Amino acid sequence: DVKVTQSSRYLVKRTGEKVFLECVQDMDHENMFWYRQDPGLGLRLIYFSYDVKMKEKGDIPEGYSVSREKKERFSLILESASTNQTSMYLCASSVSGSSYQETQYFGPGTRLLVL
Amino acid sequence: RKEVEQDPGPFNVPEGATVAFNCTYSNSASQSFFWYRQDCRKEPKLLMSVYSSGNEDGRFTAQLNRASQYISLLIRDSKLSDSATYLCVPMDSSYKLIFGSGTRLLVRP
Repeated sequence: DVKVTQSSRYLVKRTGEKVFLECVQDMDHENMFWYRQDPGLGLRLIYFSYDVKMKEKGDIPEGYSVSREKKERFSLILESASTNQTSMYLCASSVSGSSYQETQYFGPGTRLLVL
Repeated sequence: RKEVEQDPGPFNVPEGATVAFNCTYSNSASQSFFWYRQDCRKEPKLLMSVYSSGNEDGRFTAQLNRASQYISLLIRDSKLSDSATYLCVPMDSSYKLIFGSGTRLLVRP
C-alpha cells in the first residue's frame, strides 16, 4: 500500500509566521503535489515536483514556496502566513506523471488555521 | 465555465437505493477520468478509474460519454458506509488532475 504522511494534522499559526508543512511518501514515487481544499472550491494545485530539486507552479502558487531535497520528501512553505491561507492542505504523490492511467495517492491532510 | 461541474447535493437516499451522480467537464482533450471518495475531514481516496466508455466494480458503475463530455457514477444497493463526498476528476493532457468540488451523498437507515 502506498503511504503518504504529513507532519501535522492540525496547526494554528499567527499572521506573519513562517509555516512549514512536510510530506513524506514511501513508494519511491517521482511526482509529488501540494493542494489546498476549501469549501465549494474543490482541490486546487499549489505546486508540484516531478523530480528531486525540481518544482513547477500549479494554479495558485502565490504566497507559497516548496522544497524537494530528497525524493521522498516534499515541503510546502508559507513565508508569511496570512488569514486567507487558512485551509486544508493535502499532499499527494504519483509514480511518474507520464501515463494517463496513473492516479495520485493522498496524505491525511493538514488543517491550518491562521489567526 | 468551471472545468469540472458537479451537483453539490446532498443526495439523501435510503439504504438499498440506487443513486447516480453526473459530472460534466470542459476539456475535450481529457483522456482519463477518476472518481475519488472523500469522507468528512479525511483525504480523497481513489474509488474508480475510467479510461474507455466505462468501468464496473461491484456496486459501482462509472460511464463516460465523450461526445457530451460527461461522466456518471452509479451506486446500487446503497450502504450507510457509502455516505461521503464523491469527486469527479478528469486528467488533462499534461497529466494533471482537475478536481470537481464534489457531490455529497447521505445514506439514511
